[in-house]
Amino acid sequence: GENVEQHPSTLSVQEGDSAVIKCTYSDSASNYFPWYKQELGKGPQLIIDIRSNVGEKKDQRIAVTLNKTAKHFSLHITETQPEDSAVYFCAANTGFQKLVFGTGTRLLVSP
Amino acid sequence: SAVISQKPSRDICQRGTSLTIQCQVDSQVTMMFWYRQQPGQSLTLIATANQGSEATYESGFVIDKFPISRPNLTFSTLTVSNMSPEDSSIYLCSVQTATRTEAFFGQGTRLTVV
Repeated sequence: GENVEQHPSTLSVQEGDSAVIKCTYSDSASNYFPWYKQELGKGPQLIIDIRSNVGEKKDQRIAVTLNKTAKHFSLHITETQPEDSAVYFCAANTGFQKLVFGTGTRLLVSP
Repeated sequence: SAVISQKPSRDICQRGTSLTIQCQVDSQVTMMFWYRQQPGQSLTLIATANQGSEATYESGFVIDKFPISRPNLTFSTLTVSNMSPEDSSIYLCSVQTATRTEAFFGQGTRLTVV
């Protein structure tokens, strides 16, 4: 079955810096890769996603890149702000619309 | 996106008892899922809630421990049975619509078993 690895587990940056979180997946049949942000005491919130027919997608300060050959995808956050501090999860779909999640990255943005 | 309401938002329960968690969606959805998130950990799929039939459970999860109902396209319940402290987790409902691949989550139910 699908296995998703995520790195780093924690990431500390200064406000205004960029942050990059990387994930790898194992199942070449996966074709949908969402990213979720989870704030303390809340459920995961979908922030961006990418499908296997594109290599990059951008939404304001957030971008995701996908390398199908290498089976890895990354989340890029530019001009980080303290409110970006949260736990971020990557995921990949399996053949039955289910998602397999990475282990999470705790991002801390210091003012 | 769909608006998902979970009840209760949190509870503290005695070991050996059961808790039923409700998930209500504001629109008809195709797929409903239940996840468990242990403290500081990632999300693990418990089962897919099937409308009008038995849920489909993932490896390591069984119906006797986590019975699930889904009587219609907007509502599902997850029961955590015969609880032990190891069941202390956040339980999350997730939905997908027929026309979109995106999965949306409720705010979760934070369960503490003492």
